[in-house]
Amino acid sequence: GENVGLHLPTLSVQEGDNSIINCAYSNSASDYFIWYKQESGKGPQFIIDIRSNMDKRQGQRVTVLLNKTVKHLSLQIAATQPGDSAVYFCAENPSSSNTGKLIFGQGTTLQVKP
Amino acid sequence: DAGVTQSPTHLIKTRGQQVTLRCSPKSGHDTVSWYQQALGQGPQFIFQYYEEEERQRGNFPDRFSGHQFPNYSSELNVNALLLGDSALYLCASSLAFGFSYNSPLHFGNGTRLTVT
Repeated sequence: GENVGLHLPTLSVQEGDNSIINCAYSNSASDYFIWYKQESGKGPQFIIDIRSNMDKRQGQRVTVLLNKTVKHLSLQIAATQPGDSAVYFCAENPSSSNTGKLIFGQGTTLQVKP
Repeated sequence: DAGVTQSPTHLIKTRGQQVTLRCSPKSGHDTVSWYQQALGQGPQFIFQYYEEEERQRGNFPDRFSGHQFPNYSSELNVNALLLGDSALYLCASSLAFGFSYNSPLHFGNGTRLTVT
């Protein structure tokens, strides 16, 4: 079926700590995954993506890990800052030929305590 | 470089009415997708337009229709509004290479539709 879910609805971390947000997906045919950040009153903002032929990709302060064996995706944020507070969504592209239709999870709220 | 722009930002309609939402894609993008985001949920795919044609459609009734113009901008129309149509409607754009898309979606800030 088509389902992308997140393990925890809310994650609270101390400023400066590392954050790990997890995501499970069920479509083994999905070949492309994206993490988005959504702040209150705004649209989703692209953070980082990864294709299924990779198991790790790094960006600025963020790392995405993909474990296709257990269909698990995670987003790691280093040295979490107050500006990182938002809802984080993972999304999958169930078709190798089109990145327009994404299936989103429910989202995880990240709260950063000063 | 302008990002994805949507109008209006907020809209209040009555049950049974019709609504039109507008979207201009990010500069250089030619493909537009529409998503519905209910409160506390992730966005759900409505449909996608490329070369002025609907290319993919999600699980939404025919009351939801769209259009893409030659300048790549797009409209989302919803007829016979229901209370359950209240949501944030997001437009996203990307660049298509032929029919194989290799760029991430860039989202606008959405139109908040309230149906009373």
